Amino acid sequence: AQKITQTQPGMFVQEKEAVTLDCTYDTSDPSYGLFWYKQPSSGEMIFLIYQGSYDQQNATEGRYSLNFQKARKSANLVISASQLGDSAMYFCAMMSEEGYQKVTFGTGTKLQVIP
Amino acid sequence: DTAVSQTPKYLVTQMGNDKSIKCEQNLGHDTMYWYKQDSKKFLKIMFSYNNKELIINETVPNRFSPKSPDKAHLNLHINSLELGDSAVYFCASSAGTKYEQYFGPGTRLTVT
Repeated sequence: AQKITQTQPGMFVQEKEAVTLDCTYDTSDPSYGLFWYKQPSSGEMIFLIYQGSYDQQNATEGRYSLNFQKARKSANLVISASQLGDSAMYFCAMMSEEGYQKVTFGTGTKLQVIP
Repeated sequence: DTAVSQTPKYLVTQMGNDKSIKCEQNLGHDTMYWYKQDSKKFLKIMFSYNNKELIINETVPNRFSPKSPDKAHLNLHINSLELGDSAVYFCASSAGTKYEQYFGPGTRLTVT
């Protein structure tokens, strides 16, 4: 069974600073994918970044980077140069790449960017 | 240009009624999903279809019945609505079962 843990229910960050959102996971599958999604107050779910378990390099997408530490089973999201528009809920998720597997989501971290 | 659309966006109904939520995607994806997000923002998968075939069916009351008439559409019908069904229901799609999912705007269902 898969499990995603996000231990930070809420976080604050000063505008223009970097912030790290924590995510740890547990799985017995040899191959899996890790995702981060953003949910602003308007409610939509926005895909941010993906990391495959066999990818050698950490994934990056603009100001988003995923700090993947396989041995520690962690997949933290780093947002650089925070903007007011980054205020939102952030969800970490994982999916096994074996067969038809569901995506398991964490409980989310509410990030608030302070001007 | 909407990639994944859902109708209606809001649904308010009384206990015991039957209602449907429709979802359509124009991304050419072959896999579609229904998720339920509760009041604590916890997101849980309910169903998944790949090429119109049901591939994931979580422990969901059989009052919930998905239907996929074609790869671009996935509807959710709910019978005998209960108070506990109040939530936001998200439709999503992906290019296959192993790729990132793109979500619709959600349908906020309120059962009174």
